[in-house]
Amino acid sequence: GAGVSQSPRYKVAKRGQDVALRCDPISGHVSLFWYQQALGQGPEFLTYFQNEAQLDKSGLPSDRFFAERPEGSVSTLKIQRTQQEDSAVYLCASSLAYRGTTNEKLFFGSGTQLSVL
Amino acid sequence: AQSVTQLGSHVSVSEGALVLLRCNYSSSVPPYLFWYVQYPNQGLQLLLKYTSAATLVKGINGFEAEFKKSETSFHLTKPSAHMSDAAEYFCAVSEGGSQGNLIFGKGTKLSVKP
Repeated sequence: GAGVSQSPRYKVAKRGQDVALRCDPISGHVSLFWYQQALGQGPEFLTYFQNEAQLDKSGLPSDRFFAERPEGSVSTLKIQRTQQEDSAVYLCASSLAYRGTTNEKLFFGSGTQLSVL
Repeated sequence: AQSVTQLGSHVSVSEGALVLLRCNYSSSVPPYLFWYVQYPNQGLQLLLKYTSAATLVKGINGFEAEFKKSETSFHLTKPSAHMSDAAEYFCAVSEGGSQGNLIFGKGTKLSVKP
């Protein structure tokens, strides 16, 4: 596709359920980021992949959050035993360049809105 | 640690009027600063970025921002608002010069009245 694609667009989960959110980055993009955007807040960094390597997971709020990108393209963010405070929009972004290079430009997906009841 | 503060969660202007969205930053190192726009049901899109090359930065759609170190500000402006500018705008600062780990403000929702 032409842009970053995220699915599902909306997800409703009961508290305690596990969820998996998918991100299809732009083809050929080496860098992939996940952000969490709570209602009324700006996005907050969760984790960063360079190809299949997860180089930074400093933003993951707890060990219930897990992300993977096994083949260096599609990424999945998994949240185990969801809690109400996990309700947010989860944004994925990809970049052709490595993180930290001056010509790096992030392309964001439309996000997955997660509601935990 | 770096941070940004956006003054005003909601700004309303008339079509054709000046747009001014305020952003102040806090950074212990020379900052890289960004403005992103988010249209309804769309992803964040980069408007412009400051990386110390020039204090006045021009972006897409007629927007520009001026870096003022003395005021620790990076306000976004556009001389004449269009209806299509209605969106949410986020100011962001990067950690250590990288665009990767962006620290975003809470956002300012811009409404444009006909």
